[in-house]
Amino acid sequence: RKEVEQDPGPFNVPEGATVAFNCTYSNSASQSFFWYRQDCRKEPKLLMSVYSSGNEDGRFTAQLNRASQYISLLIRDSKLSDSATYLCVVMARGGYNKLIFGAGTRLAVHP
Amino acid sequence: GAVVSQHPSWVICKSGTSVKIECRSLDFQATTMFWYRQFPKQSLMLMATSNEGSKATYEQGVEKDKFLINHASLTLSTLTVTSAHPEDSSFYICSAPGGASNYGYTFGSGTRLTVV
Repeated sequence: RKEVEQDPGPFNVPEGATVAFNCTYSNSASQSFFWYRQDCRKEPKLLMSVYSSGNEDGRFTAQLNRASQYISLLIRDSKLSDSATYLCVVMARGGYNKLIFGAGTRLAVHP
Repeated sequence: GAVVSQHPSWVICKSGTSVKIECRSLDFQATTMFWYRQFPKQSLMLMATSNEGSKATYEQGVEKDKFLINHASLTLSTLTVTSAHPEDSSFYICSAPGGASNYGYTFGSGTRLTVV
């Protein structure tokens, strides 16, 4: 079983749509959680951290359910510029705090 | 903000040759550097963790003799792909904890390696 699992998509949505991505992780001892965005042939960039209390940044809302080992990302009012691959990332507990990446969910927003 | 400068951005090499990829931390000290590899439509897979002045820690299934990692200073880590083969063609990217970006993780811009 993969440590971090995501629906690969692609999600094809029109501008203005609301889209939700889900992610599950297998290591219950994981300590920190993130959503990253990766554009084609580029390095990943942090979108937002994820907390159990839920957090919102503009059109983006992230949620963590530790009991279910489930992470979500909601994007409201999709823009063309939101088209990218969204990576669910978990920080493994350990000496070097390495990041474990999910395979990513591709989003394509069309006019 | 903090930057990890990664070079080269892309490289094409012949089978059997070796390729060195450099990651330099600018304006901060990178005592640890993570090296990832990403195949098309797949996620970043951690290959190894390097630490300044000590041997790198390799993930299961990664050949340490093929992917040589050197972290000789607090600002430079290198990955050398030895005797490269077409199946080594991939996107290689480094990341260092520290710096002001990405919740304390700063990524290089990646190296696209094509072995022909």
